[in-house]
Amino acid sequence: NAGVTQTPKFRVLKTGQSMTLLCAQDMNHEYMYWYRQDPGMGLRLIHYSVGEGTTAKGEVPDGYNVSRLKKQNFLLGLESAAPSQTSVYFCASSFQGGPNSPLHFGNGTRLTVT
Amino acid sequence: AQSVTQLGSHVSVSEGALVLLRCNYSSSVPPYLFWYVQYPNQGLQLLLKYTTGATLVKGINGFEAEFKKSETSFHLTKPSAHMSDAAEYFCAVHDRGGNKLTFGTGTQLKVEL
Repeated sequence: NAGVTQTPKFRVLKTGQSMTLLCAQDMNHEYMYWYRQDPGMGLRLIHYSVGEGTTAKGEVPDGYNVSRLKKQNFLLGLESAAPSQTSVYFCASSFQGGPNSPLHFGNGTRLTVT
Repeated sequence: AQSVTQLGSHVSVSEGALVLLRCNYSSSVPPYLFWYVQYPNQGLQLLLKYTTGATLVKGINGFEAEFKKSETSFHLTKPSAHMSDAAEYFCAVHDRGGNKLTFGTGTQLKVEL
């Protein structure tokens, strides 16, 4: 049982380039989330999805887009990368959205934008 | 919006000493509260949570936390630190009726011999 898998693990982009981060979960979870982690700022929610075909904005959505075409996958896109998007990105999933459904995290993607 | 404040971005203890990591929440209505742990180069894992009922909550690896409404606190403790406890710890709050978790800024725990 792989849980939550994120690809790639590392990526370096030049300013203005685009890329897509892939998150896959094999637990049949309804909810999926994308967070970014920056030193001294904890984890901040970028976008989330409450089910296949749905997406919603989180705390810091600007500069990112997401898609949830299949229940098991949640994609995070950067259309035109900026140095401020240098961060570690974490995907998470949960069975439901309430407090009794703990989040399961992937191991992160470290993105550097030069 | 609900939020949590973690006092001390870095805490250092000796092996065998008490671990105390502080978390205060801001809410007029007691929220659901969580502690997550992040080991190097890994994602976060749930340590424990408070939703309702008993205010002293026990988690994995010998950690526990006490919900104190009068102090709006949910501090994490462990009686005796082990080297393997070295990690970053995040307090988080889940607003009642919502579906999002808001994390604190994290506390890096260092355990020294």
